[in-house]
Amino acid sequence: KAGVTQTPRYLIKTRGQQVTLSCSPISGHRSVSWYQQTPGQGLQFLFEYFSETQRNKGNFPGRFSGRQFSNSRSEMNVSTLELGDSALYLCASSLVSGTGIGDEKLFFGSGTQLSVL
Amino acid sequence: GENVEQHPSTLSVQEGDSAVIKCTYSDSASNYFPWYKQELGKGPQLIIDIRSNVGEKKDQRIAVTLNKTAKHFSLHITETQPEDSAVYFCAASTDKIIFGKGTRLHILP
Repeated sequence: KAGVTQTPRYLIKTRGQQVTLSCSPISGHRSVSWYQQTPGQGLQFLFEYFSETQRNKGNFPGRFSGRQFSNSRSEMNVSTLELGDSALYLCASSLVSGTGIGDEKLFFGSGTQLSVL
Repeated sequence: GENVEQHPSTLSVQEGDSAVIKCTYSDSASNYFPWYKQELGKGPQLIIDIRSNVGEKKDQRIAVTLNKTAKHFSLHITETQPEDSAVYFCAASTDKIIFGKGTRLHILP
C-alpha cells in the first residue's frame, strides 16, 4: 500500500508570493491533517479535513487555508508569504471511524520544505 | 485548548542504557496519547499509543505509562540501540491531536 505522498518536496518562494502544497493520503483514508514543523515550535496543528469539510482548525492566520477533494486528496495554500512561514509542512492521513472521532493513528508524509526568502 | 509540554528537549544516553521522556497535558478530556518517532528526512511515525482507560502499555523495548490524575505520561526505552537515535514527539488528543515540541535522543557508542 502506498504511503502518504506530498509534493513538491522542496519549495523556494519570496515574501509576498503564495504557495500551494499537495497531499495524497493512503488509499481509503478520508481524514487529512496538516502540521507546520519548525525547530523551535515542534509540530503545530494547522487544520484537519474529513469528507471534504474542515473539521478542526489550529491557531494560524487566515493566510493559511486548505481544501479536500472528493478523492480525499488535499491541498494547502499560504498567501502573502512571510519569512516566518519557512518550515516543514507535514500532511498526515488517518482512517477515521464512521463517527468521525479524531483519535486515530496518523500516517505522515515526508513533508514539503518551504523556504521563504 | 490542549497544551502539551515535553521534557527534556535533548537527551543523550549510553548505548544499552534506558531513556525516559516525560510529557504533561492540560486538557483533562484528552483520551488518546500517541508517541511518534521522526528520523532525519522523514515524517513522524507512530511507535506506541495508549488510551485513557489504560495505565501502562509495553511493546518489546518500548513502554508508555499514563497518570491521568497528574496528567502525566512517559515513554520508556530500554536497552537503547544506535537506531533509537531520532526525535520523539508525545501528543494528546481530544478532537484533534496536539504535539509536544519534541525530544532529540542521542545514543552514544
